[in-house]
Amino acid sequence: GNSVTQMEGPVTLSEEAFLTINCTYTATGYPSLFWYVQYPGEGLQLLLKATKADDKGSNKGFEATYRKETTSFHLEKGSVQVSDSAVYFCALDGQNFVFGPGTRLSVLP
Amino acid sequence: NAGVMQNPRHLVRRRGQEARLRCSPMKGHSHVYWYRQLPEEGLKFMVYLQKENIIDESGMPKERFSAEFPKEGPSILRIQQVVRGDSAAYFCASSRVSGGLQETQYFGPGTRLLVL
Repeated sequence: GNSVTQMEGPVTLSEEAFLTINCTYTATGYPSLFWYVQYPGEGLQLLLKATKADDKGSNKGFEATYRKETTSFHLEKGSVQVSDSAVYFCALDGQNFVFGPGTRLSVLP
Repeated sequence: NAGVMQNPRHLVRRRGQEARLRCSPMKGHSHVYWYRQLPEEGLKFMVYLQKENIIDESGMPKERFSAEFPKEGPSILRIQQVVRGDSAAYFCASSRVSGGLQETQYFGPGTRLLVL
């Protein structure tokens, strides 16, 4: 079946550091891919998405490119802020909606 | 340890009927979240509940939708007088609180509601 694998956290970075959170998937067909973010004490929010190969999703300085050849959708940000501290979920929507386990990011001032 | 369970997995209703969606959290989890995924869109937060309490319902439509998480039994998301626009996948997630911090949410498989 479909599955999503994310790098295990927690990830701790200093402010202005470069961020990469790896996400790979297995799926039949051509699923849409998503990154969701959960800030402390809140529900999930959609951060960005890509619906086909080579699409790049971007929002709030975060980017991820749908790489079909490597079945990956890695999340990147050039310069993180303390306010980016949250849990990040990679997800795919194929036959079923499947989330990764989440990666907790802590950004220190 | 069984994961988050939702039932039914698929639900078909005619316009005007009621839909009841159930969510049983993971063992030891006292917090439940409901999300809705409309076709071609991402997941949207609806409501966050603890046992017998609604913590945050900022994502719930003001009419026809309600949620509860009783002391005993599953959490219920209830949609009265369904309309076609309610057709979506509804996901439940659960978590526990440790040391005052919410831990990771674990998601159920979802209920796909189709309104005819």
